[in-house]
Amino acid sequence: QVQLVQSGPEMKTPGASVRISCKTFGYTFTDFYIHWLRQAPRQGPEWMGMISPTSGTPTYSQKFQGRVTMTRDTSTSTMYMELRSLRSEDTAIYYCARDFGVFPSAWGQGTQVTVSS
Amino acid sequence: DIQLTQSPPFLSASVGDRVTITCRASQGIRNYLAWYQQKPGKAPYLLIYAASTLQSGVPSRFSGSGSGTEFTLTISNLQPGDCATYYCQQLDSYPFTFGPGTKVDIK
Repeated sequence: QVQLVQSGPEMKTPGASVRISCKTFGYTFTDFYIHWLRQAPRQGPEWMGMISPTSGTPTYSQKFQGRVTMTRDTSTSTMYMELRSLRSEDTAIYYCARDFGVFPSAWGQGTQVTVSS
Repeated sequence: DIQLTQSPPFLSASVGDRVTITCRASQGIRNYLAWYQQKPGKAPYLLIYAASTLQSGVPSRFSGSGSGTEFTLTISNLQPGDCATYYCQQLDSYPFTFGPGTKVDIK
């Protein structure tokens, strides 16, 4: 069945970068876009952007433009999201989600990113 | 950015009740609306997409309606397992924004 398995928790200091992976299973990798979202403590989810699995072309939320890079590796069916210049407000659970007609239908288990000095 | 508001922010109902959550968009989003259920410590789970289409495997007690700027999620015959926070998300215009959530509790 469709599964998205994300990399493990990360602890970072302010100003650092984090790279999260999202390995996909159970479907043809190039058939579906991947969304990246995050959820800060006690808040609702926030959409960060999405990436085409075929062309690798990303679409970023303006909020993260310049600080985020989404990439893919078709040979391993894995997506990556890097966020730079981390600050305490970036502390959140980060999710990848496979779309279904643009709607994020299957989500990864989440990756906790903690930014603290 | 398109703003989504949800009402009520919190509701408490009895097992077997029918409950309705409303999501309003600051501008028209056609039917590009999704509803998610989120339980503590878990990822959001897609219940309904395209405003009214039930995701495969979701019980038919859940239903969605609406188009344009006003949408509703209805849970019929509320069950204890429905205790969760429910979010709407618009996917009509970037960035794809979420509503603030509605927490559903059982009396």
